[in-house]
Amino acid sequence: DSGVTQTPKHLITATGQRVTLRCSPRSGDLSVYWYQQSLDQGLQFLIHYYNGEERAKGNILERFSAQQFPDLHSELNLSSLELGDSALYFCASSVALRGSYGYTFGSGTRLTVV
Amino acid sequence: GQQVMQIPQYQHVQEGEDFTTYCNSSTTLSNIQWYKQRPGGHPVFLIQLVKSGEVKKQKRLTFQFGEAKKNSSLHITATQTTDVGTYFCAGPEKGSSNTGKLIFGQGTTLQVKP
Repeated sequence: DSGVTQTPKHLITATGQRVTLRCSPRSGDLSVYWYQQSLDQGLQFLIHYYNGEERAKGNILERFSAQQFPDLHSELNLSSLELGDSALYFCASSVALRGSYGYTFGSGTRLTVV
Repeated sequence: GQQVMQIPQYQHVQEGEDFTTYCNSSTTLSNIQWYKQRPGGHPVFLIQLVKSGEVKKQKRLTFQFGEAKKNSSLHITATQTTDVGTYFCAGPEKGSSNTGKLIFGQGTTLQVKP
């Protein structure tokens, strides 16, 4: 157990639907990062939150949004889902703003859009 | 944009052989991090290198940061079946002082034949 909790572990949904992925960072970590991992791609950065504030955004689709709550947990919302959104979604946390000393990843949410 | 490239993409070795993966960045990096992802698992932080020319060892793993801080390598001596997985290098996005966003390489997947 890495200390970063992601739920659900698996999600199967239909095209056009909306889902919410949840992440609880490791205790004491203020930064939360979301990454997408597809079969033929590496880890693609989506978004970074630090202590409730958005700090960086990657090539995140407009259909995707995220937020970090006062208790530091984060949610990634994916709407109008398409087949191509099927992927592993990882959340990672770090204690510092700059990610020094590495990220701690959760076990991921595997999203399958059918 | 900033890119981090890894070669080779795949490597099959006989147990006991050595293995090396190389990482090259399009820009100089303030630090480089290495992660290992076992099949079906999540990336796990291995190490961070900060100084030009730095070499660090973890048992059979040797990590090196290039003099120009644009490349890095991971060498595994006498591979074991427990070394199977995908090894990623990652570096911070240049010029982003307000985020710890990491740019990941595509990874090198290591298969070890017993």
